Amino acid sequence: GQSLEQPSEVTAVEGAIVQINCTYQTSGFYGLSWYQQHDGGAPTFLSYNALDGLEETGRFSSFLSRSDSYGYLLLQELQMKDSASYFCAVPDSSYKLIFGSGTRLLVRP
Amino acid sequence: GAVVSQHPSRVICKSGTSVKIECRSLDFQATTMFWYRQFPKQSLMLMATSNEGSKATYEQGVEKDKFLINHASLTLSTLTVTSAHPEDSSFYICSARVLRGEGNEQFFGPGTRLTVL
Repeated sequence: GQSLEQPSEVTAVEGAIVQINCTYQTSGFYGLSWYQQHDGGAPTFLSYNALDGLEETGRFSSFLSRSDSYGYLLLQELQMKDSASYFCAVPDSSYKLIFGSGTRLLVRP
Repeated sequence: GAVVSQHPSRVICKSGTSVKIECRSLDFQATTMFWYRQFPKQSLMLMATSNEGSKATYEQGVEKDKFLINHASLTLSTLTVTSAHPEDSSFYICSARVLRGEGNEQFFGPGTRLTVL
């Protein structure tokens, strides 16, 4: 089966950089995805890593190390609107997504 | 982009009634859709995989007779919560997988908040 671990909460100040870690255990590996979810809203796709290394998309970057079964989401130049829950997720061979427990990010002024 | 809609966005019903939730892919065809349930401050839990033209595949612990899924067309999947009870109150979210060159990108509907009184 699959399991993913993330910190439950992270707090940071506006303008700062924050890193949200995710470690996973999977029976097969088909990539690591990150999703953002604001309270009461649906998850929105942020990034996907299939290979080792860093993927950058604007203020958000995602990193993967398959040998360590580890990835992280890096958020730069934090804004108040970035306060949300962030989930890492892995698909299985049938494309079902298994989500981590989520990390609540609180951005303070 | 790929847009997924859900209807209704919010529903309140009495215990014992059935509620149908629709999930539509608006600008693409989705042979596979997924249904999730999310309780407050918790993660999304996959309930079932909805396959167009065939029976849904349910995750362990999900009662298939209680959560009826129908995927009658390439753009519509429905989830019916039968004989709903207060413990079924939750946020139900569907998603559809978009076939792209690489990656596994799923687009989520806006969710349906079900409250059973």
